[in-house]
Amino acid sequence: DVKVTQSSRYLVKRTGEKVFLECVQDMDHENMFWYRQDPGLGLRLIYFSYDVKMKEKGDIPEGYSVSREKKERFSLILESASTNQTSMYLCASSAIGLKETQYFGPGTRLLVL
Amino acid sequence: AQKVTQAQTEISVVEKEDVTLDCVYETRDTTYYLFWYKQPPSGELVFLIRRNSFDEQNEISGRYSWNFQKSTSSFNFTITASQVVDSAVYFCALIPYTLGRLYFGRGTQLTVWP
Repeated sequence: DVKVTQSSRYLVKRTGEKVFLECVQDMDHENMFWYRQDPGLGLRLIYFSYDVKMKEKGDIPEGYSVSREKKERFSLILESASTNQTSMYLCASSAIGLKETQYFGPGTRLLVL
Repeated sequence: AQKVTQAQTEISVVEKEDVTLDCVYETRDTTYYLFWYKQPPSGELVFLIRRNSFDEQNEISGRYSWNFQKSTSSFNFTITASQVVDSAVYFCALIPYTLGRLYFGRGTQLTVWP
């Protein structure tokens, strides 16, 4: 059974704080992704990684960075959180080859005050 | 341009009714992959089905069925005898082979009333 976990379901942070969102998959997948989901805007790709220490920008990378030191773990970092980063963050992973099915974690609802 | 259109923003039905969720896609690729995901109120996106562009066979899985028609660029999803637990947002998505990334529709909110 595929499994993607995210470190928190709900998170409340203050403006200017550095925020870490962690994602772990146990399927030995090469690819990992971070999306954010907002009402009216749908799902948007922030960053993805196709290998350890590799990363690629998605559609909305501004204000975010990522880290992938181990194959199973992909971290999303908000360097200085702002209120417009209040959102639902979804992590996904897929096997090698970007046409493969992406499996999603439960999501983190982040509120920045 | 790659695009997935789910024209139905919200659908409400009463339990045991059949319901069809529409999905129309656009891509220049001749090889592509189509998906449906379910997002219940808990928030997790649950994978339901994946089809490739060379396989137009319709698929049935329990109360779920999918109708893929390349001629109309559609990949519709039908739930037969709907249940309250089917209430969720359903997303249709596309991966064009040459781009290797997932394009989502805006989703259809399905509410099944008891």
